Amino acid sequence: AQSVTQPDIHITVSEGASLELRCNYSYGATPYLFWYVQSPGQGLQLLLKYFSGDTLVQGIKGFEAEFKRSQSSFNLRKPSVHWSDAAEYFCAVGSINYGQNFVFGPGTRLSVLP
Amino acid sequence: SQTIHQWPATLVQPVGSPLSLECTVEGTSNPNLYWYRQAAGRGLQLLFYSVGIGQISSEVPQNLSASRPQDRQFILSSKKLLLSDSGFYLCAWTLEGAVGGYTFGSGTRLTVV
Repeated sequence: AQSVTQPDIHITVSEGASLELRCNYSYGATPYLFWYVQSPGQGLQLLLKYFSGDTLVQGIKGFEAEFKRSQSSFNLRKPSVHWSDAAEYFCAVGSINYGQNFVFGPGTRLSVLP
Repeated sequence: SQTIHQWPATLVQPVGSPLSLECTVEGTSNPNLYWYRQAAGRGLQLLFYSVGIGQISSEVPQNLSASRPQDRQFILSSKKLLLSDSGFYLCAWTLEGAVGGYTFGSGTRLTVV
């Protein structure tokens, strides 16, 4: 069965520090991969997506993610975190072979220290 | 451009009362539509999805139901709310193939008292 894991429930970093949020997936088909961000009380906003091609993808707000097929991972990174990045981050996996229904990870809550 | 509207933003309802949450999409045709729920501090739970008018698939048995009376309208309903129905409800849409990812509405915070 398809699954997505985000091993870190909660991460705290200092403002200006680098960030890496982990995402691992188990999927029986060629995946589409996504990262979403959710601020408190808000909907989810798409940060970036990967379908094919270059395994390093750039997104909004200075985020990037790298697809590593051999590790079944799609980790999200940012070189310098801003206080406004504090939010919940969700990794999601989809595949045209499995229709339109994505599988979401449980989320990682990011706190940023001043 | 495409937009998704979801209302109301917040709702407080007594146990046993009915529920109707509405979601509409503008600027696209024949979207796939989704209802998700987030319990406090939890991830996303897919409740219903629809690939066309009148076509509803349920992922989780519950006392909620969904309907799609028009191409770009998706409604989440309940005849009698339970305390456990409290949560944050999100509507989302995507086009066939979902290569663009989901676009989410701003959510409805439902508190059943």
